[in-house]
Amino acid sequence: AQSVTQLDSQVPVFEEAPVELRCNYSSSVSVYLFWYVQYPNQGLQLLLKYLSGSTLVKGINGFEAEFNKSQTSFHLRKPSVHISDTAEYFCAVRKNRDDKNIFGKGTRLHILP
Amino acid sequence: EAGVAQSPRYKIIEKRQSVAFWCNPISGHATLYWYQQILGQGPKLLIQFQNNGVVDDSQLPKDRFSAERLKGVDSTLKIQPAKLEDSAVYLCASSLIWRGAIDTQYFGPGTRLTVL
Repeated sequence: AQSVTQLDSQVPVFEEAPVELRCNYSSSVSVYLFWYVQYPNQGLQLLLKYLSGSTLVKGINGFEAEFNKSQTSFHLRKPSVHISDTAEYFCAVRKNRDDKNIFGKGTRLHILP
Repeated sequence: EAGVAQSPRYKIIEKRQSVAFWCNPISGHATLYWYQQILGQGPKLLIQFQNNGVVDDSQLPKDRFSAERLKGVDSTLKIQPAKLEDSAVYLCASSLIWRGAIDTQYFGPGTRLTVL
């Protein structure tokens, strides 16, 4: 069965500093990978997705993620964070097109002034 | 374009009571999802509809949870009777298509259920 591990439950980072949110998955087959953001009191919003092709995926709000098959990772990065990036971030994996998304437990990003 | 609407936003009930949640997806979206998000965890899919047919309800506790999507548009999720462990945020999402494509899911704001 697939699973997703988000290694950090909370990540504090100073404003304008870079950030990396880690995500590892377990699957014996090729997968599709997603990052979602959840702002306070709101639903989830898709940040970016990896389906195939280039391993570096660019998303909205200046975020990007890199798919590393050998390390089964899909870490999310942003070179300079803003206070508006304060949110919870979820990594998700899907085994095939007709399967369901399996979500990680989330990483809460705290932006320090 | 209006987003996914859910109501109520908050609900507090006592255990063994019943509760129902309502979801109105984005117009034209064929696929509708209900997720349960327990505090400190990621969302877990409860049920997925394609139009008004169920395509996945493998994680729905069918002894107490039920869901329907009449006419392939709005949907309701019901819990009867509720247990303490049902306290969670219930998220509704919709997407335009499902089979043969990785389609973007659009989420509503959720309903926060507290069972006392």
